[in-house]
Amino acid sequence: LAKTTQPISMDSYEGQEVNITCSHNNIATNDYITWYQQFPSQGPRFIIQGYKTKVTNEVASLFIPADRKSSTLSLPRVSLSDTAVYYCLVGGNTGKLIFGQGTTLQVKP
Amino acid sequence: DAGVTQSPTHLIKTRGQQVTLRCSPKSGHDTVSWYQQALGQGPQFIFQYYEEEERQRGNFPDRFSGHQFPNYSSELNVNALLLGDSALYLCASSLRLSNYGYTFGSGTRLTVV
Repeated sequence: LAKTTQPISMDSYEGQEVNITCSHNNIATNDYITWYQQFPSQGPRFIIQGYKTKVTNEVASLFIPADRKSSTLSLPRVSLSDTAVYYCLVGGNTGKLIFGQGTTLQVKP
Repeated sequence: DAGVTQSPTHLIKTRGQQVTLRCSPKSGHDTVSWYQQALGQGPQFIFQYYEEEERQRGNFPDRFSGHQFPNYSSELNVNALLLGDSALYLCASSLRLSNYGYTFGSGTRLTVV
């Protein structure tokens, strides 16, 4: 599975837009890009998934350039409750998920 | 519609002991996967069960074993516990071996002393 690289941590303030970029230079043709959110002592929760271009749902947007070697998770107008670890995953429908270390997002008042 | 439920939520065991963790999948799901998450790390895949058989396995020793029951619930067993086995153990369920629609439980926090 493609290895991903994302920042270890990020800080933001309430009401700001947060963009977390993930690099995946070795992404395969049939790989999807998926983002999960995890709060302390809870399991990861699916946020968004995409293959190319832009995907938007009620909580986030995912931007994927044409070469698909990176992706950016965009969280609009974050609140304190968005403080969590965000994982970028790349892979196909293999039945298992490969997690990296994730990005710890700290939202400040 | 119940999500994935895990029990117990917390557990303290002594080195060398054995432990059994339990998981009930989300309604409608038939595949259960187990993950180990050490402090400050991302979850690591242990193994996956479907139709009561282990279908794939991560890089974990044979001390880690599992079982799936006809009602799709699952158990994770760890023998000869080591201090390094202290972690959050997560169960995830999905449909027909797929990793799409993965739903995680809140996990069991295992502490080995």
